[in-house]
Amino acid sequence: NAGVTQTPKFRVLKTGQSMTLLCAQDMNHEYMYWYRQDPGMGLRLIHYSVGEGTTAKGEVPDGYNVSRLKKQNFLLGLESAAPSQTSVYFCASSYSDSNQPQHFGDGTRLSIL
Amino acid sequence: RKEVEQDPGPFNVPEGATVAFNCTYSNSASQSFFWYRQDCRKEPKLLMSVYSSGNEDGRFTAQLNRASQYISLLIRDSKLSDSATYLCVVKAAGSARQLTFGSGTQLTVLP
Repeated sequence: NAGVTQTPKFRVLKTGQSMTLLCAQDMNHEYMYWYRQDPGMGLRLIHYSVGEGTTAKGEVPDGYNVSRLKKQNFLLGLESAAPSQTSVYFCASSYSDSNQPQHFGDGTRLSIL
Repeated sequence: RKEVEQDPGPFNVPEGATVAFNCTYSNSASQSFFWYRQDCRKEPKLLMSVYSSGNEDGRFTAQLNRASQYISLLIRDSKLSDSATYLCVVKAAGSARQLTFGSGTQLTVLP
């Protein structure tokens, strides 16, 4: 019953540091997504992937990179963290059918000092 | 104008009350519609899909008005456990990425 698992759950970084957030799903979903959620705003899509080896930009991709080397994993990288990237990050996955809902991980709380 | 707009609330209602949330969307190409629920500091979880003819799931009723680009969620006989933020979500046809979230409506059910 793992579903979508995100690691780490919490992290504090200094400006300029780099890190990678890991998302893993065990539902054999084709599509995976990375969102950020900030107070008073809806979830905003950073990057997404429609299959192994493919990635695409979402609404707010700047400052982030992603990779999908295996179908079950979707990595989000911050090359040089900035305070504006302080947020809660959610990973989600879904089947390719557009009427299927997305299943979310329980989030990563990231603070950039 | 935001693509998906919701009244942020908060809505504070007594147990047993009926409460309704509204949502409007700007993209007429939107094809799929959902209500998600998000508890404080937790991940969003699907509450229900919204179908053109309207649909009901227990105490929850969702309705869609495509002509007015309007979605609603009605909760009857509110329970304390219904306290959460309710997110209106729309998806345009033909694209994996075009899932747009409203900023949510906060509900607190009071004893």
